[in-house]
Amino acid sequence: DTAVSQTPKYLVTQMGNDKSIKCEQNLGHDTMYWYKQDSKKFLKIMFSYNNKELIINETVPNRFSPKSPDKAHLNLHINSLELGDSAVYFCASSPGTGTDTQYFGPGTRLTVL
Amino acid sequence: KQEVTQIPAALSVPEGENLVLNCSFTDSAIYNLQWFRQDPGKGLTSLLLIQSSQREQTSGRLNASLDKSSGRSTLYIAASQPGDSATYLCAVSKDTNAGKSTFGDGTTLTVKP
Repeated sequence: DTAVSQTPKYLVTQMGNDKSIKCEQNLGHDTMYWYKQDSKKFLKIMFSYNNKELIINETVPNRFSPKSPDKAHLNLHINSLELGDSAVYFCASSPGTGTDTQYFGPGTRLTVL
Repeated sequence: KQEVTQIPAALSVPEGENLVLNCSFTDSAIYNLQWFRQDPGKGLTSLLLIQSSQREQTSGRLNASLDKSSGRSTLYIAASQPGDSATYLCAVSKDTNAGKSTFGDGTTLTVKP
């Protein structure tokens, strides 16, 4: 059974388009995250939601907008895609906001042409 | 600003060898440290989580140690197997919020049969 799932796994699109990446966790966790992994493998936190409330919003362009319809889902919508947005985006979840183990999804490889 | 460095960047060993991966961090005021494994094209899998009050954690052939005062952690892999080939990432959480973790850039391990 998949714990944290993301769709799509691959996303290739033209510059300027708007796209969404979906994330779902069936672990019953309260907290979900979005990370961006660049070409050098560095992982950076983008957003974090706890029980559908935004608790972390790092310095990312406002073209990126997370949406949490319920605590099992955290979607990432990106407007006006740019070449520099090409990366692998990982969703993760954890039981709470404290020092809990995070469980990661398989990642979505976004390529902007 | 917390910085996490992992040495070596790449490591190749014959099957059966014991090996050590290193992780260092600049700010010793941490809440926990996690070791992750990342397989090509896959998400991250949490291997071990060490709380700041702990000195080590063990899981099977893996042992992770933490020396908070010197800003170092090691991941020891005993009797390495080809299936251990992956990129290993360490992440340090300076905040009670697990999402505010700083990741190293990883060590890519290749275990040759």
